[in-house]
Amino acid sequence: NAGVTQTPKFRVLKTGQSMTLLCAQDMNHEYMYWYRQDPGMGLRLIHYSVGEGTTAKGEVPDGYNVSRLKKQNFLLGLESAAPSQTSVYFCASSLRGVRGGTEAFFGQGTRLTVV
Amino acid sequence: EDQVTQSPEALRLQEGESSSLNCSYTVSGLRGLFWYRQDPGKGPEFLFTLYSAGEEKEKERLKATLTKKESFLHITAPKPEDSATYLCAVQTLNTGNQFYFGTGTSLTVIP
Repeated sequence: NAGVTQTPKFRVLKTGQSMTLLCAQDMNHEYMYWYRQDPGMGLRLIHYSVGEGTTAKGEVPDGYNVSRLKKQNFLLGLESAAPSQTSVYFCASSLRGVRGGTEAFFGQGTRLTVV
Repeated sequence: EDQVTQSPEALRLQEGESSSLNCSYTVSGLRGLFWYRQDPGKGPEFLFTLYSAGEEKEKERLKATLTKKESFLHITAPKPEDSATYLCAVQTLNTGNQFYFGTGTSLTVIP
């Protein structure tokens, strides 16, 4: 049982290049999330999905696109990378809670540097 | 606007010196408050969920409590391996299933 797996773990991009980050979860969770983490800013939500085929914007969606074609996968795309997108990216997933929210499980992160 | 504030930003403790971390929140209807631990270079690891004021959860040297305005993470007789960044997050009626995080408290426990 791998939990949440992110690929790649590290990447260096040149300004203007594109790339896709892949997140896969094997826990049959309905909800999936993409966060970025920057020093002093904490974790900020980029996009999220409440089920297969659905996506929604979070706090900082500009410059990113996402897709959830299969329940277990959530892809984060950068069409034209900018130095401001240098960050550590985390994917997470959670179940749909009955009483309230249920905890999110996180991947190990992708460290992206845009030069 | 929903807000989550953690204090202090950083905390250094001697091994065995108990203390508390604070997470204060101003939200319109709390659905759940979550505590996570994050080690350098790794993703956040879930610790506790609290739903209602007065609720408490414990795990080893950690105890989380919740009031209507804030949550505390009490660390009793900490060990060096407790050194990490501790994050709190909320889900609210406004945010639905989204988690909104505070900026964390970096804890260092000195042997």
